[in-house]
Amino acid sequence: GQQLNQSPQSMFIQEGEDVSMNCTSSSMFNTWLWYKQDPGEGPVLLIALYKAGELTSNGRLTAQFGITRKDSFLNISASIPSDVGIYFCAGRENGGSQGNLIFGKGTKLSVKP
Amino acid sequence: NAGVTQTPKFRILKIGQSMTLQCAQDMNHNYMYWYRQDPGMGLKLIYYSVGAGITDKGEVPNGYNVSRSTTEYFPLRLELAAPSQTSVYFCASSYGLLDIEQFFGPGTRLTVL
Repeated sequence: GQQLNQSPQSMFIQEGEDVSMNCTSSSMFNTWLWYKQDPGEGPVLLIALYKAGELTSNGRLTAQFGITRKDSFLNISASIPSDVGIYFCAGRENGGSQGNLIFGKGTKLSVKP
Repeated sequence: NAGVTQTPKFRILKIGQSMTLQCAQDMNHNYMYWYRQDPGMGLKLIYYSVGAGITDKGEVPNGYNVSRSTTEYFPLRLELAAPSQTSVYFCASSYGLLDIEQFFGPGTRLTVL
């Protein structure tokens, strides 16, 4: 099935640094979502993007829906220890099954105090 | 609202045993989903349901069955457990076609020995 390429696979950063991760797809998506998963928990939605070119912020998080509809990025500014976790991108293809999301493999973020 | 709840949190099965993973949501969502998450991988869709009495296969349905007799409950059945089904299972729900955000339960960690 369709796969999303999410990079990087993992990141080790110092507290206070900015973080950037991205997802690419071989086909066009009409929705991009970014989730965060804490250890032992289910994913929680951070940001949803519905329009090509859309740039949306949620506190220190900013995400953009690429104009080609085939990519999205997530930036975290001034990282703090509680940002630790796995970040997943997810999307729904143009013409995709109702409600079905395709997930990337995740970016594991570690923050050193 | 409790959101999406799953039981049990952990389970160890022997090869060939069967079990049902329970999932309930109290948000009156029409859509419900079952995913599995293998180490270092994204979420793979097993089955989904667009409403009571309607279910459909996702990307990896083999070895599983589901039912949706009510809006609230969406159990996942493993009939003959195999080591390949060792994984973390997440149930999720969403309101409908125009509301893409999926809310996830805390997960069930299943080990088949």
